[in-house]
Amino acid sequence: TQLLEQSPQFLSIQEGENLTVYCNSSSVFSSLQWYRQEPGEGPVLLVTVVTGGEVKKLKRLTFQFGDARKDSSLHITAAQPGDTGLYLCALPNDYKLSFGAGTTVTVRA
Amino acid sequence: ETGVTQTPRHLVMGMTNKKSLKCEQHLGHNAMYWYKQSAKKPLELMFVYSLEERVENNSVPSRFSPECPNSSHLFLHLHTLQPEDSALYLCASSQDPIAGLGGEQFFGPGTRLTVL
Repeated sequence: TQLLEQSPQFLSIQEGENLTVYCNSSSVFSSLQWYRQEPGEGPVLLVTVVTGGEVKKLKRLTFQFGDARKDSSLHITAAQPGDTGLYLCALPNDYKLSFGAGTTVTVRA
Repeated sequence: ETGVTQTPRHLVMGMTNKKSLKCEQHLGHNAMYWYKQSAKKPLELMFVYSLEERVENNSVPSRFSPECPNSSHLFLHLHTLQPEDSALYLCASSQDPIAGLGGEQFFGPGTRLTVL
């Protein structure tokens, strides 16, 4: 079973600042998904990355998949209070998802 | 609104009670899942159903008993739980069971369970 490590565990920033969260494994990913879970809700898929070196943008969110496909990052530009939530990376594998422990992001107004 | 609903949203039960969690998906999906989310732990997959057949039972204690009567409904029957079973229980569905290149899982809002 591949283990996903996410860092940092917690991140608290002021509105307008930038932030980056990371997802790493010692094994190669076939693909990786990022989810965001807002308080009181279930996780919602943000993006799936498949190709090594891939960069995907979703408004102010930029997702990178490492060249070696062992790591991924999520960068948020000019964070807003609505970006507050738990950010989870997940590995699709054998009809299930394996999740990292997540990064809790708090954006203060 | 993700198309997956869960009831109840909150549940408090004693260790000797029997209760059930309900999940319904309105997306026409073929696969449904139960996850457990505890504080400071990754989401733990509990059960996977594909076309109403259980395809995964992730070493879950027998005090948790799933039931999938049709492709739209999933239940989790609870009995003689322990305080450490207190957690957020999430239901999810996907068009087909997740394969290696992914596919989206749609999650419900969860049931916050407290066992006294």
